[in-house]
Parts: sequence; structure tokens; C-alpha cells
Amino acid sequence: NAGVTQTPKFQVLKTGQSMTLQCAQDMNHNSMYWYRQDPGMGLRLIYYSASEGTTDKGEVPNGYNVSRLNKREFSLRLESAAPSQTSVYFCASSPLAGQGARGVETQYFGPGTRLLVL
Amino acid sequence: GEDVEQSPFLSVREGDSSVINCTYTDSSSTYLYWYKQEPGAGLQLLTYIFSNMDMKQDQRLTVLLNKKDKHLSLRIADTQTGDSAIYFCAETGGFKTIFGAGTRLFVKA
Repeated sequence: NAGVTQTPKFQVLKTGQSMTLQCAQDMNHNSMYWYRQDPGMGLRLIYYSASEGTTDKGEVPNGYNVSRLNKREFSLRLESAAPSQTSVYFCASSPLAGQGARGVETQYFGPGTRLLVL
Repeated sequence: GEDVEQSPFLSVREGDSSVINCTYTDSSSTYLYWYKQEPGAGLQLLTYIFSNMDMKQDQRLTVLLNKKDKHLSLRIADTQTGDSAIYFCAETGGFKTIFGAGTRLFVKA
């Protein structure tokens, strides 16, 4: 099992360019997440998908869009990149399903995408 | 809103015990977690504790939970250089998991 995979590993963009970060998991998990990690700020949730076909905003959704293409894949799109979006982006997945689902929510993280916006 | 706070840095000597502390605000937290992030990698779950427990031990790791003070700690016994990493505290009260900003552990040989 590969777990959670992310592509690309690194990306440099110019301000205004667009790009899509890809994420896939092979653990048959229901929930998937996109986070950004910035120095001193820990992980901040951008968007999440509690199940196939649903997506919801997290703490910092502005400037991003997401697509839950199927149960395996959850992509993050930057339509017009800004320097403030320079960060490390992590995708994660969890077996839990549905809003209000309770239980141990172990999240499994991908290796991250390092994005620099000039 | 809910918040999870941690000290940013901790430095210990190899062989000593490390204690990483965390405070949280959500009184409805049901599970609390410790994740480890090694350089250039994603987070990996180390251990978790259910909110009705006070302590959980797993080999060199001991988790202590003081629910009254909303304080969680992770003790690593016999700290090794391979334990150098960022440690994140996290809590789940409902569907959402909130992460702290992480504590970077430096282990001096």
C-alpha cells in the first residue's frame, strides 16, 4: 500500500498562475483533507471532504477550490496564485465518515507539496 | 473557537526524558493525539488517548491527561537523536480535529 500520495513534491509559480495539487489514497478511507503548514502556525485546514461527493470549507479556504473526484482522489486548485499561498501543503485521509461521526480520527498524511509563489 | 497551544521548542540531552506539553480549550474533546513530523515528511500518529483516561503508556511514550486543566503531555523516556522532530498535539471534539502549532524537539548528543 502506498498510503497517501501527493504530486508534485515541489512547485514554483509566478503570481497569477494556476495549478492543481493532486492527492490520492489507497486505504478506502471516507474522509480526506487539505492543510497548509506555515512556520509557527501549525496546520490549518483549507478544505475537507467527509465522503465522496461532499466538500466543506475549513479554516482558510479563500483562494482555493477542491474536487473530490472519487473516493480515492481529492485535488486542490489554486486559480490565481499569490505569494501569501507560499506554503507546504499536506493532504490527509481518515476512515471516519460523515459530519458528526465520532471515534478515533487517525489521520494519515501524505509527504507534502512545497509551493513557492513568486 | 477551539484552540490548541504548545511551546515552540524543547532541547534535551540524549538519554534524558523529554516532556512536551499542550493545552487545549475545547471541553468537549473526546480524543487527544500526538503526531510526529520528521524533516521533509508528513505527520504520523504516535499515540492517542480517550478523554476518560488519565494516562496511557506505550513503550517509551507516556501520555498524561489532566482534563480539569485541559492539559496534555507526552513524555519520551531515554530520548534518542532519532526522536528529533516536530511533535503536534491535536484534539477531536466533534468531526473536526484541531492541531497545535507543534513543538520542535532538539536532542543533543
